[in-house]
Amino acid sequence: DGGITQSPKYLFRKEGQNVTLSCEQNLNHDAMYWYRQDPGQGLRLIYYSQIVNDFQKGDIAEGYSVSREKKESFPLTVTSAQKNPTAFYLCASTRTVNSNQPQHFGDGTRLSIL
Amino acid sequence: AQSVAQPEDQVNVAEGNPLTVKCTYSVSGNPYLFWYVQYPNRGLQFLLKYITGDNLVKGSYGFEAEFNKSQTSFHLKKPSALVSDSALYFCAVRDDTDKLIFGTGTRLQVFP
Repeated sequence: DGGITQSPKYLFRKEGQNVTLSCEQNLNHDAMYWYRQDPGQGLRLIYYSQIVNDFQKGDIAEGYSVSREKKESFPLTVTSAQKNPTAFYLCASTRTVNSNQPQHFGDGTRLSIL
Repeated sequence: AQSVAQPEDQVNVAEGNPLTVKCTYSVSGNPYLFWYVQYPNRGLQFLLKYITGDNLVKGSYGFEAEFNKSQTSFHLKKPSALVSDSALYFCAVRDDTDKLIFGTGTRLQVFP
């Protein structure tokens, strides 16, 4: 079955450390997204990518970086500049950015600070 | 500004009773509206969407939603709630840059 795979499921970060969250999809979708979920705040968009080798900042991009070298993969790096990284991170995809089809979501990565 | 509001943090309902989870929106142009459900430590699952057409939209797991243009609302409904419906529900609207704006979520608790 096609879908989105996020790994790891749980991740711990030390002070001053960069960590990378993996997101892989086999849906042949062009558009991919990273969201951050905090309790009571819904989902906030971090970065999105419309196509390979292209990505744009979302609403809360500071302290994060992404790459899109392959259609299937859209890894998110949480850098040491992100001072409050503890959250649930969700990756999603759609066929295209302007598609009326719903976004498909992975099962998330929960990041905590050691 | 474009936005989505879910006015209730939590909705409690007895099993077998009808349920409603409220959502109102503000967008320029025609709204594209979505409902998603999230179970603990899982991603969001799509329930239903409104793009155009009938104001009553039917979706997965017996859920439906009613689009009301004059009240700018898109409330989620189910005629008979199940304990297994207990989860976090998100309403979302597509903005004019084609990105989704999510509400803050409503926790539905169905009691046996």
